[in-house]
Amino acid sequence: QITLKESGPTLVKPTQTLTLTCTFSGFSLSTNAMGVGWIRQPPGKALEWLALIYWDDDKRYSPSLKSRLSIVKDTSRNQVVLRMTNIDPVDTATYYCAHRDGDRLTYDSWGQGTPVTVSS
Amino acid sequence: QSVLTQPPSVSAAPGQKVTISCSGSSSNIGYYYVSWYQQLPGTAPKLLIYENDKRPSGIPDRFSGSKSGTSATLGITGLQTGDEADYYCGSWDRSLNAEVFGTGTRVTVL
Repeated sequence: QITLKESGPTLVKPTQTLTLTCTFSGFSLSTNAMGVGWIRQPPGKALEWLALIYWDDDKRYSPSLKSRLSIVKDTSRNQVVLRMTNIDPVDTATYYCAHRDGDRLTYDSWGQGTPVTVSS
Repeated sequence: QSVLTQPPSVSAAPGQKVTISCSGSSSNIGYYYVSWYQQLPGTAPKLLIYENDKRPSGIPDRFSGSKSGTSATLGITGLQTGDEADYYCGSWDRSLNAEVFGTGTRVTVL
């Protein structure tokens, strides 16, 4: 059974860097075709894809946010960390991490999400 | 910001059928698989359909998916009050080299 859980600050000040950690179990990021993605959802709005990292360290980013994002994995700790620089109030959202099945090109397990508010 | 277009809402009485469309382009739906996700109020999204028309274990066959060209459709038959949720389509986009999600559709059971 795959489980994922997001952790990080709930309140961030504008211009700061947001660091979110996804801790997972039930799969290994050293296994072929495994990946972890980050998706966010502003209050009352649609899902927005942010970034994805695969078992072979292949990384993909949202074109509109690429300059502000970085994603890394720690295979030994079963964690994936997303960093977003120069945070703005429009980044207020619930942030989800999800398991990426690279063969089926789908997100088949999601974390519960962590809410982040950007405010001074 | 969403690249895939869905109707904002659909509704029907219990036991009836609803369909949700997802319109994309040759860069995404026309090239890659489509997934569908269900988001019940206050919860995380959950995978409903993958590879256009396949259901993960545990998803009832009341939910079905199809794809034709650059569009996809989610069907829900035997509508239940527990199906009230937001539904999103998703696909990879080869031009953007990024995942794209739909605008989301709220299903209401009358």
